[in-house]
Amino acid sequence: SQTIHQWPATLVQPVGSPLSLECTVEGTSNPNLYWYRQAAGRGLQLLFYSVGIGQISSEVPQNLSASRPQDRQFILSSKKLLLSDSGFYLCAWSPPGFRNQPQHFGDGTRLSIL
Amino acid sequence: QQQVKQSPQSLIVQKGGISIINCAYENTAFDYFPWYQQFPGKGPALLIAIRPDVSEKKEGRFTISFNKSAKQFSLHIMDSQPGDSATYFCAAEDNYGQNFVFGPGTRLSVLP
Repeated sequence: SQTIHQWPATLVQPVGSPLSLECTVEGTSNPNLYWYRQAAGRGLQLLFYSVGIGQISSEVPQNLSASRPQDRQFILSSKKLLLSDSGFYLCAWSPPGFRNQPQHFGDGTRLSIL
Repeated sequence: QQQVKQSPQSLIVQKGGISIINCAYENTAFDYFPWYQQFPGKGPALLIAIRPDVSEKKEGRFTISFNKSAKQFSLHIMDSQPGDSATYFCAAEDNYGQNFVFGPGTRLSVLP
């Protein structure tokens, strides 16, 4: 069966520090991968999605970037964090090449910027 | 046109009651409508999904009703339980598989 892992679960970082959040998927090949941000008590904002290695689409301009160095690895990064980057970051995957398939989410990383 | 509107923002229901959450969309290219359930500190998980070729889908205590002409769909939770307390998101995907959007969410509290 397929599983998705995100780490770390929680992270506290000072303003201006770099960021690297990692997401890996097991049990499937060439998944579609997604990064979302969820502000407290709010909905899901799609940040990036990827349909293959090295293929990244950005949905909103921001202080963050994403990379997909391996088929089942998705990384969210920042060179200098802002206070506004605080939030709950979720990684998700969906089957490749099929439409109308649900997205499957990891348990997220809660990021607090001080 | 890519948005999905969801109401209410929050909902309080007594144990055993019916919880109803409504969503509406504009984009007629949407043809897949999943609902997700999210508990605090966890990622959303698929609850139930429907396609517009049916008007209703039921799985246990959860039912989706779909009105294609009105471009509305709703989630009904029968015999609501305290364990159903969570945030619920409706979502929609278009028939090209390229646009997947979430509603803003509804926080449901079921009182014991």
